Amino acid sequence: ETGVTQSPTHLIKTRGQQVTLRCSSQSGHNTVSWYQQALGQGPQFIFQYYREEENGRGNFPPRFSGLQFPNYSSELNVNALELDDSALYLCATSGQITSTLASDTQYFGPGTRLTVL
Amino acid sequence: GQQLNQSPQSMFIQEGEDVSMNCTSSSIFNTWLWYKQDPGEGPVLLIALYKAGELTSNGRLTAQFGITRKDSFLNISASIPSDVGIYFCAGLNYGGATNKLIFGTGTLLAVQP
Repeated sequence: ETGVTQSPTHLIKTRGQQVTLRCSSQSGHNTVSWYQQALGQGPQFIFQYYREEENGRGNFPPRFSGLQFPNYSSELNVNALELDDSALYLCATSGQITSTLASDTQYFGPGTRLTVL
Repeated sequence: GQQLNQSPQSMFIQEGEDVSMNCTSSSIFNTWLWYKQDPGEGPVLLIALYKAGELTSNGRLTAQFGITRKDSFLNISASIPSDVGIYFCAGLNYGGATNKLIFGTGTLLAVQP
């Protein structure tokens, strides 16, 4: 158990719709990263939030957006869904961004399985 | 997106056998991590490596951080059925602007009792 929770566990949407996924951070962790994992692939970095601001972004279009709240929980929003957006969406939490070794370990939630029809 | 090269892609072994898998990158990392992912679950951290040349064990698992900082390997000794899953390596350059993980392509491990 990592203490990271995600909701919903599964979701089915149709092309063009919008979706919001949620992540609750492990206590004491103030950084949240989101990853997309397509079937048979390793997770791909979408973006990271630290102190409620985006702190780096992977190669994903602007229709992927996010928020981090004062309690460090986070949302991932995807607009204008496409079939290729079908994937497992993972959030990972970690401590403050410093060079302290232990605080940079990322702990993953169980993920949200999104299916786009 | 960028992914690290992980091999083998899959392994089918008998219970009790030892397993070895490795991961290579075209770029340098200052941290290497190994995760295990069960079906329908998120990756779970197994071992973290922070120094080139470092050899670290966690029970039956042993991992090494390559001296060039571009590779790492994971060994599992005396495999058991619960070792079944997908193993991912991940590289990280902590201390940068963004601490993002770059994952490998994964190694599927099947263990026959």
